[in-house]
Amino acid sequence: KAGVTQTPRYLIKTRGQQVTLSCSPISGHRSVSWYQQTPGQGLQFLFEYFSETQRNKGNFPGRFSGRQFSNSRSEMNVSTLELGDSALYLCASRGTSGANVLTFGAGSRLTVL
Amino acid sequence: EDQVTQSPEALRLQEGESSSLNCSYTVSGLRGLFWYRQDPGKGPEFLFTLYSAGEEKEKERLKATLTKKESFLHITAPKPEDSATYLCAVQVVTGTASKLTFGTGTRLQVTL
Repeated sequence: KAGVTQTPRYLIKTRGQQVTLSCSPISGHRSVSWYQQTPGQGLQFLFEYFSETQRNKGNFPGRFSGRQFSNSRSEMNVSTLELGDSALYLCASRGTSGANVLTFGAGSRLTVL
Repeated sequence: EDQVTQSPEALRLQEGESSSLNCSYTVSGLRGLFWYRQDPGKGPEFLFTLYSAGEEKEKERLKATLTKKESFLHITAPKPEDSATYLCAVQVVTGTASKLTFGTGTRLQVTL
């Protein structure tokens, strides 16, 4: 069974640019969550999508946005990049078995110069 | 506000030297406490979920326990391959929405 796939794995951008990250969840999983991981703050919740609807949102500025498609694949977008956006962006999917376990992908490492 | 604090930040053990990692939390309405392991360059890997005080779960050299205010991850006779960052998270559910609030982790290094 394939795991959670995130692309790209690494990318470098400059301040002011925008970036789009992609996440393919485990087959059959309809919930996708995004987290930002930095050395100082640890993992911070960005948002959760279920059946193409955003169900929950963390305390991030509006520059951070996401969406989910009908096949459950998800994208997140960060516009007007700032140096502080450099981080590992992790996507996780969850099934409906009741265990509520998030399965994470390997992440997309974003560096903003 | 939900808060999760892990200690110590870093821990260095010799192979075979048992120890415990601590995760203390304040949350309104705990639905579950999760332990994950994260290796460098990888995403967190699920270890355990605990739901109620007094519950214990074991997997190989790891044992997780839960009280009303904290959880412990006990590592018995660790091996170098147990070196990783161990993350604790609490689950908060609001209606149909769910999110995990993570601690900043304990970096464990096990040496020969």
